[in-house]
Amino acid sequence: DVKVTQSSRYLVKRTGEKVFLECVQDMDHENMFWYRQDPGLGLRLIYFSYDVKMKEKGDIPEGYSVSREKKERFSLILESASTNQTSMYLCASRVGGHNYGYTFGSGTRLTVV
Amino acid sequence: SQQGEEDPQALSIQEGENATMNCSYKTSINNLQWYRQNSGRGLVHLILIRSNEREKHSGRLRVTLDTSKKSSSLLITASRAADTASYFCATAAALSTSGTYKYIFGTGTRLKVLA
Repeated sequence: DVKVTQSSRYLVKRTGEKVFLECVQDMDHENMFWYRQDPGLGLRLIYFSYDVKMKEKGDIPEGYSVSREKKERFSLILESASTNQTSMYLCASRVGGHNYGYTFGSGTRLTVV
Repeated sequence: SQQGEEDPQALSIQEGENATMNCSYKTSINNLQWYRQNSGRGLVHLILIRSNEREKHSGRLRVTLDTSKKSSSLLITASRAADTASYFCATAAALSTSGTYKYIFGTGTRLKVLA
C-alpha cells in the first residue's frame, strides 16, 4: 500500500515562529498536495507540486511556502506562524492522472499560540 | 460555496441499517470521488466514479452519479459501528497552469452508527 507519512501528529508553536511540516510518500507519485482542514470550511488547497522542484499555488497560499527537493518529500513552511494558521494540515499524494484518488497522510494538528 | 456539497450534514443510524449520503456539485466534472475520514485522521479514498458511469459498487458501498442533476449518492449497506466517520465527496477541477487536476472537497457528512 502507498504510504504518506507526516512527521508530526500534533504540534504547538508560538506566534512568529517558522514552522516546517514534512510529508514523505513511498510510491514514486508525481503529484503531492498540501491542504488545510477547518470546521465548516472543508479542505482547502494550499500548494501542490507535480514534479521535483515544481510548485504551484492553491487557493490559500498566503503565509505559506513549500519545498520539493526530492520526489518523495514535500514540505510545507509557515514563514511566520500566526494564530489563524491553527488548523489540521493534510498532505496527499497521487499518481499522475486525475482518474486516481489521493492517498492522504494522517494529518498534523497544528496549534499556534 | 463548495463545488461539492454533502447532504445531510449529519446522520445517525442504528447498526445494520443503510446510510445514504448525497453530494451536489455545480460544474461539469471528469470524475467524482468519495472519501472517509475517521476522527482526527487523514482521509481514505473509497471509490471513484467517472462521468460516463452511472453506478459503481465496492463491497458494501454503492455510488451513483447523475450528471444531468449534478449529483451523486453514497450508500453504505448494513452499516457497522466502524463506519462511524465523516464522508466527503470530491470533484476534479483542471488547473490551467499545469494541466493537472485538483480535487475540490465538500464539507462532509458526519455519520454516526449506533451499536
